[in-house]
Amino acid sequence: EPEVTQTPSHQVTQMGQEVILRCVPISNHLYFYWYRQILGQKVEFLVSFYNNEISEKSEIFDDQFSVERPDGSNFTLKIRSTKLEDSAMYFCASSEVLAGVDTQYFGPGTRLTVL
Amino acid sequence: AQSVTQPDIHITVSEGASLELRCNYSYGATPYLFWYVQSPGQGLQLLLKYFSGDTLVQGIKGFEAEFKRSQSSFNLRKPSVHWSDAAEYFCAVGAVKSGYALNFGKGTSLLVTP
Repeated sequence: EPEVTQTPSHQVTQMGQEVILRCVPISNHLYFYWYRQILGQKVEFLVSFYNNEISEKSEIFDDQFSVERPDGSNFTLKIRSTKLEDSAMYFCASSEVLAGVDTQYFGPGTRLTVL
Repeated sequence: AQSVTQPDIHITVSEGASLELRCNYSYGATPYLFWYVQSPGQGLQLLLKYFSGDTLVQGIKGFEAEFKRSQSSFNLRKPSVHWSDAAEYFCAVGAVKSGYALNFGKGTSLLVTP
């Protein structure tokens, strides 16, 4: 069964450093998403991406964040200058069509630890 | 404001007992409802979803959920719990009005005792 994959599974970085989290969505899916889950809190939407541009973003997704689909398979989330409060589990998801009428399939997550 | 509430943070049930996990939502638009499960170290796996039609939906692993519009609820049920069901369960709501984002509840952690 096709699945969303994410690398690395765990990333440790120093405050102020840039990190790139990588995702390979399911191959025939067209919509891509990033969510995060701070320890002990709920899963929060960050951004959705379609046709090489951002479709929607939350207020969490500020100028420190960017997303990119650099090739036909990868989807990345970049945090330019990490802060302690960026420590969280980051989930990538993909869907064939809009979230309102289709299912988002999630990857296993990348645990980001900012020291 | 749009919200999803899972009132129970932790639930403990005995293996073989029945299970009901509660989910309430507050949405202005027609909601699309999902239950996801997360086992330790794993991603979010879809258990079931409701878009329209029959309000009782069947999912994987013997789970079902019932959409009750009058109560703004989408509770997850299983008649007989197995030890392998121990995990974190998340209710999520999406709506065309809100675009593409899923709004998650805080989750319910299920512990299964022998």
